[in-house]
Amino acid sequence: QVQLQQSGPGLVKPSQTLSLTCVISGDTVSDNSAAWYWIRQSPSRGLEWLGRTYYRGKWYSEYAVSVKGRITINPETPMNQFSLHLTSVTPEDTAVYFCARFEDWRGHFDSWSQGSLVTVSS
Amino acid sequence: QTVVTQEPSFSVSPGGTVTLTCGLSSGSVSTSYYPSWYQQTPGQAPRTLIYSTNTRSSGVPDRFSGSILGNKAALTITGAQADDDSDYYCVLYMGSGIGVFGGGTKLTVL
Repeated sequence: QVQLQQSGPGLVKPSQTLSLTCVISGDTVSDNSAAWYWIRQSPSRGLEWLGRTYYRGKWYSEYAVSVKGRITINPETPMNQFSLHLTSVTPEDTAVYFCARFEDWRGHFDSWSQGSLVTVSS
Repeated sequence: QTVVTQEPSFSVSPGGTVTLTCGLSSGSVSTSYYPSWYQQTPGQAPRTLIYSTNTRSSGVPDRFSGSILGNKAALTITGAQADDDSDYYCVLYMGSGIGVFGGGTKLTVL
């Protein structure tokens, strides 16, 4: 059973960087049949995919157009976790953030973190 | 770029049946896309309802079912209950590691 535990601050000031970490248990971040996602939910945008990282002989990180240029998702293999960094945040980035595992075998998200509210405010 | 489409909103009466769909802006959805469905209540983690078109996730009541209808994936709720009032998202498998979300359907039970 894969479990994802995310952590990070709940309050970030405008123009600063939002950073979250997702620790994986029950799998490895370099599993070549899984991908690791950051997703957020807000009243105005619903569920929004932000980006993913995955290993298929080499590392890939891909990002949604809506946040491209501001986002970095990094795998951290020694700690078996992956991170999200979102720069130059505005109040529009206020949302509940989730990390999730997407598995190839049945092509679906089978594990989710508990989620955390990140508020962008001065 | 292919977009995954869902009805923005739907309503159903308690005890009624509703079918939500998941399509593609270009082309047809087939089982090869392994359509999956998620129920999402604001502030809570999404709950996986259906994967691989029609497999119910553990603990999901059998009033939820998945299928392919015509050129779309479908989620049918039979005997809707008040706590089915929620947002529903489909995801289509687009290649290794790649799941693409639909825009979601807000289901109202009233």
